[in-house]
Parts: sequence; C-alpha cells; structure tokens
Amino acid sequence: EVQLLESGGGLVQPGGSLRLSCAASGFTFSSYGMSWVRQAPGKGLEWVSAISGSGGDTFYADSVKGRFSISRDNPKNTLYLQMNSLRAEDTAVYYCAKRSPDLGYGMDVWGQGITVTVSS
Amino acid sequence: EMVLTQSPATLSLSPGERATLSCRASQSVSSYLAWYQQKPGQSPRLLIYDASNRATGIPARFSGSGSGTDFTLTISSLEPEDFAVYYCHQGSNWPLTFGGGTKVEIK
Repeated sequence: EVQLLESGGGLVQPGGSLRLSCAASGFTFSSYGMSWVRQAPGKGLEWVSAISGSGGDTFYADSVKGRFSISRDNPKNTLYLQMNSLRAEDTAVYYCAKRSPDLGYGMDVWGQGITVTVSS
Repeated sequence: EMVLTQSPATLSLSPGERATLSCRASQSVSSYLAWYQQKPGQSPRLLIYDASNRATGIPARFSGSGSGTDFTLTISSLEPEDFAVYYCHQGSNWPLTFGGGTKVEIK
C-alpha cells in the first residue's frame, strides 16, 4: 500500500524551530519529487516547498524562503522539512505529498497531516 | 507568482444537480492544472490532472476541461458524498500555487 506518514509536529514558541518528517512506503521513493503543503486553521491549501527525486533541486514559497529547508534521505525513504524562525502565521496542518510526472505533476498521494502550532 | 482565482467561493446545490466550478489563472498554465477534493478532517484527494484526466478511481461524473488560463470542473449529478471543498492547482510554474477553493454545500 502506498503511504505517507508525517511526524514531528507540535507546539513551538515564536522564533523556534521544528523538523517535520514524512516516511514513505509502497513506492520507489527516489523516483518521485515530493512537496509540502500546509493549511492554516479554516483556510485553504498553501504550497510550501518541493524537492526533486534526487534531492538536487529544491523550491520554496516566498512566505518560507530563507526560513524553511526541504531535504530527503532516499535510502531511508524519508522527506524532511526543517522549519526555523517560526512565526504565528506558520501555524497550520502540514501535509507531505507525492508528485507524479505521469499525472501532470498532480499530487496523487497525501499524508494524513501533522499539526504545527506556533504560540507563546 | 501565478495566481489562481476560483469562483464561486460557495456553490449551494441539491443532490442530483450539476455543479460547475471555475478556475482562472493569471497567466497560461499549459496543461498542468489539477483539481482536488477535500472533506472536513481529511487530506486532499486528487480528482483531475492535466486539466481533463480523471485520477484512478474517480467516478465519471467528475470531468475537467479548459486550457491556457480558464479551467472548469464539472460534477454532472451531485451525490451526497460530493459536498466538499474543491481546489485547483497549477504544477507548471514555480512557485506552485493553489486556488482559494470552492465550497460545494447542500442547498
């Protein structure tokens, strides 16, 4: 079964750091680009970051550029999001998602989401 | 940044009715336009990719059309399980972006 499972969320103070992980199973992880997408409470979806299958190319939304860093460990089938200098507006459910080039880069597999709360 | 504008924000319809959702891009998207469905408390689900192709397991009542800057998601006859929020998404230009969503609610 194709599956993504996020972990590492929680409550953090403004200015703090957190690292999210996304464990992948059921597909050849290194063959696919991956994305992080977030959803603030009661709001819509916001794309955050993406990384190529090899990890050589990374992309960020302007809202997180310079503060967040995406990476992956292909032998461990794991995607990461290092979040630094966190702000209240980073409070959201964070999803990892698999990007499929054969599906027009649609995100066909999503994790269950992990909650990040930035508050003092 | 490519902006995706969805309309209407809310669509109030009855089961069995036809739903027509619009997504307009601020510049040409080519064909990398996808639609997602999200129900409360659930992760998004891919419905349509490349503007008009149904993803695996998606019922035929869902269809997508359009190219360039104007795209449409049509649900031919609403089932009770179709009442949800729908998002369009472009995967052709960095940064990637989502539309603001259309909520399809029961009238």
